[in-house]
Amino acid sequence: QVQLVESGGGLVKPGGSLRLSCAASGFTFSDYYMSWIRQAPGKGLEWISYISTSGTTIYYADSVKGRFTISRDNAKNLLYLQMNSLRVEDTAVYYCARDSGSFSYWGQGTLVTVSS
Amino acid sequence: EIVLTQSPGTLSLSPGERATLSCRASQSVSSTYLAWYQQKPGQAPRLLIYGASSRATGVPDRFSGSGSGTDFTLTISRLEPEDFALYYCQQYGSSPKTFGQGTKVEI
Repeated sequence: QVQLVESGGGLVKPGGSLRLSCAASGFTFSDYYMSWIRQAPGKGLEWISYISTSGTTIYYADSVKGRFTISRDNAKNLLYLQMNSLRVEDTAVYYCARDSGSFSYWGQGTLVTVSS
Repeated sequence: EIVLTQSPGTLSLSPGERATLSCRASQSVSSTYLAWYQQKPGQAPRLLIYGASSRATGVPDRFSGSGSGTDFTLTISRLEPEDFALYYCQQYGSSPKTFGQGTKVEI
């Protein structure tokens, strides 16, 4: 069965960095686009980035452009999100999702808290 | 960027009743690239509907989606206790992909 497991969240100070990982299993990872979506506490969903199957096409939401970097390792079935220059407003649960346009499978999420 | 506006914000209904949720787009959503998700507290969202009207795998047939252009609807024909949750629409016809702000279906 399809499984997505995020890790790497935690507490970080404003201006700090964090790297999230998403381990995929149960499907051919290299055949699918992947996305990161976040949800601030008590708020709605915000799509923030996607990456194509080979990693050659990448898109970022304006809110994270220039600060976050998405990447993938198809040999290890891993998706990454490098987050730099973190702000208080980046505090959220971060989900990875299999991207077929719509998001058919989601991980359980990892909480990132940016606070001094 | 396409802005999705969901209404109502909260829908108060009883089990067995019909729920009708609306999602309106600020511009036309190409090729009916519109999805609906259900989210329960502490859980990740679950895909219910894609392509405006196609049910995802395992989704009960009491859930149905309709609409095109700028107006879309999610209908739950007879509410079951487990259907009381938050519902989001999402468009994927153009980047950035965007979500509505959500509709809460409560008892």
